Amino acid sequence: EVQLVQSGAEVKKPGESLKISCKGSGYTFSTYWIAWVRQMPGKGLEWMGVIYPDDSETRYSPSFQGQVTISADKSISTAYLQWSSLKASDTAIHYCARGLTTDPYYFDFWGPGTLVTVSS
Amino acid sequence: DIHMTQSPSSLSASVGDRVTITCRASQNIISYLNWYQQKPGKAPKLLIYAASSLQSGVPSRFSGSRSGTDFTLTISSLQPEDFATYYCQQSHSSWTFGQGTRVEVK
Repeated sequence: EVQLVQSGAEVKKPGESLKISCKGSGYTFSTYWIAWVRQMPGKGLEWMGVIYPDDSETRYSPSFQGQVTISADKSISTAYLQWSSLKASDTAIHYCARGLTTDPYYFDFWGPGTLVTVSS
Repeated sequence: DIHMTQSPSSLSASVGDRVTITCRASQNIISYLNWYQQKPGKAPKLLIYAASSLQSGVPSRFSGSRSGTDFTLTISSLQPEDFATYYCQQSHSSWTFGQGTRVEVK
């Protein structure tokens, strides 16, 4: 059974750093994209970026380029999303999802989400 | 960047109604269009991929179609468990989501 298990909710202050995780199981982790998707409170889904764990190829949405860093450790089937300096506007649920690397490139399995709250 | 315009942003419907949601791409995405359902407090769920292919396990009352750069998600007979928010997503050039359509009880 394919599963994506995400790290727990975080409460941080503005300016702090943070790294959240997404661990895949039930499939060959290194040969699918892992995507990160943001959902701000009461708002829609925003694609942030993806990583291909086998070679760590990474693509970012222009809206998130330079704002976050996506990484992966294929040896432990885990992908990460990190911030070096959080802002209040980073408050959101962040989902990871498995993405097909072949046509038609959809996201077929999703993690439950990690709520990040940034508040002074 | 490819922009996806979804309409309506919300609609009210009754059980048994036929519901149609539209998504328009800002440029040709061929059939690289996927639909997701999201219920409150839950992760999105893939319903339709490649414009009209039903994901395994999804009820056949859900269907998708394409006409040029316009895409449609249809629920043929709305069921109580279908009240949710629906998102389109293009996967032709990276990925972009539409802004979502909330289907509410009339």
